[in-house]
Amino acid sequence: GQQVMQIPQYQHVQEGEDFTTYCNSSTTLSNIQWYKQRPGGHPVFLIQLVKSGEVKKQKRLTFQFGEAKKNSSLHITATQTTDVGTYFCAADLVAQKLVFGQGTRLTINP
Amino acid sequence: DGGITQSPKYLFRKEGQNVTLSCEQNLNHDAMYWYRQDPGQGLRLIYYSQIVNDFQKGDIAEGYSVSREKKESFPLTVTSAQKNPTAFYLCASSTRDRGETQYFGPGTRLLVL
Repeated sequence: GQQVMQIPQYQHVQEGEDFTTYCNSSTTLSNIQWYKQRPGGHPVFLIQLVKSGEVKKQKRLTFQFGEAKKNSSLHITATQTTDVGTYFCAADLVAQKLVFGQGTRLTINP
Repeated sequence: DGGITQSPKYLFRKEGQNVTLSCEQNLNHDAMYWYRQDPGQGLRLIYYSQIVNDFQKGDIAEGYSVSREKKESFPLTVTSAQKNPTAFYLCASSTRDRGETQYFGPGTRLLVL
């Protein structure tokens, strides 16, 4: 079935280093969403991107939607221990049903 | 407070036993979803419902059943036919509009004894 591929699966960084996770689809997406799941917690919505080439920022987090609306990225500048968790992208590839990427698990060495 | 509640937080199941996980929302959302998450894995859709008295199978519906008798409630039953039920189960809801944000409950961890 239609999938959203997310890489890398795991990323370990030193505190203060940057982090990026990528999300790719073979089909054009109407929009893409990003969620964060803290260890032991549940996914929490971060942001939605809709327009081609859109860039949105939330403090140290920068979200981008590709020009072809087939890929997206989440970049964290100068990671902090509070950034630990798994980051998921999600796209509505099928009507009213989000398809989640496999997630990127971020761990940070303080 | 508006939100989604799931109970119990932890659930233990004996072999051959059916168990039901509760999910309630007071967000006035039409759509509700059940996901399964295995350790270190992503979210896999079990069932979803866009309106009361209607629901559709997701990607891994075998061994599970649901009902949607009320807008606020979407219970999931893990039947004895589900041979590997140990997982973290997440319920979510959204408006019916395509691509809308999903709001997740705190989840239920199911363990088989």
